Amino acid sequence: AQKVTQAQTEISVVEKEDVTLDCVYETRDTTYYLFWYKQPPSGELVFLIRRNSFDEQNEISGRYSWNFQKSTSSFNFTITASQVVDSAVYFCALELETGANSKLTFGKGITLSVRP
Amino acid sequence: KAGVTQTPRYLIKTRGQQVTLSCSPISGHRSVSWYQQTPGQGLQFLFEYFSETQRNKGNFPGRFSGRQFSNSRSEMNVSTLELGDSALYLCASSPWAGQGARNEQFFGPGTRLTVL
Repeated sequence: AQKVTQAQTEISVVEKEDVTLDCVYETRDTTYYLFWYKQPPSGELVFLIRRNSFDEQNEISGRYSWNFQKSTSSFNFTITASQVVDSAVYFCALELETGANSKLTFGKGITLSVRP
Repeated sequence: KAGVTQTPRYLIKTRGQQVTLSCSPISGHRSVSWYQQTPGQGLQFLFEYFSETQRNKGNFPGRFSGRQFSNSRSEMNVSTLELGDSALYLCASSPWAGQGARNEQFFGPGTRLTVL
């Protein structure tokens, strides 16, 4: 069975600090997809990134960066120079490509608070 | 393009009643998925529809059902409501074509259901 663990539940930082959100996943499949979503107070989940299991290159998008390591089954997300607008709940998710388990499995989410 | 829309945004029902929630996907998207979000259980997959067919189903009782129309719009129905059904119900659409690599899902704002 597939599983996503976000061990951190709440993180509080001061603006301009860097913060890393951890994500560990479990699956026996060799083809899978990893995602990060942001849920601001408005409630709508906002897509941030999609990664397939064959692409271990790290990715940077502005202040956001992602570190995918298959050896440790981790897909961590770093926000550099955090801003108040980054305050939200962040979800890591896993999806298999085919079969009955082809559905998004979410972690419990990490509540990030960025203080001015 | 307009995003995923869900109606109604808020709903209050009493135990034993039934409810129907509606979701209009992004134009051109044929895959629609539904999720339930509660503080205790987090985000859980309900079901996915593609081309009017249910492709995948989560671990929810038969009181939860859904359907998809030829224009890809989807509805979910919950019969005999229980207090524990109070949740944010999120709909997501995807450009995924039914096979092969999974695409990211785009979420609507959700319907907040309160069961009294």
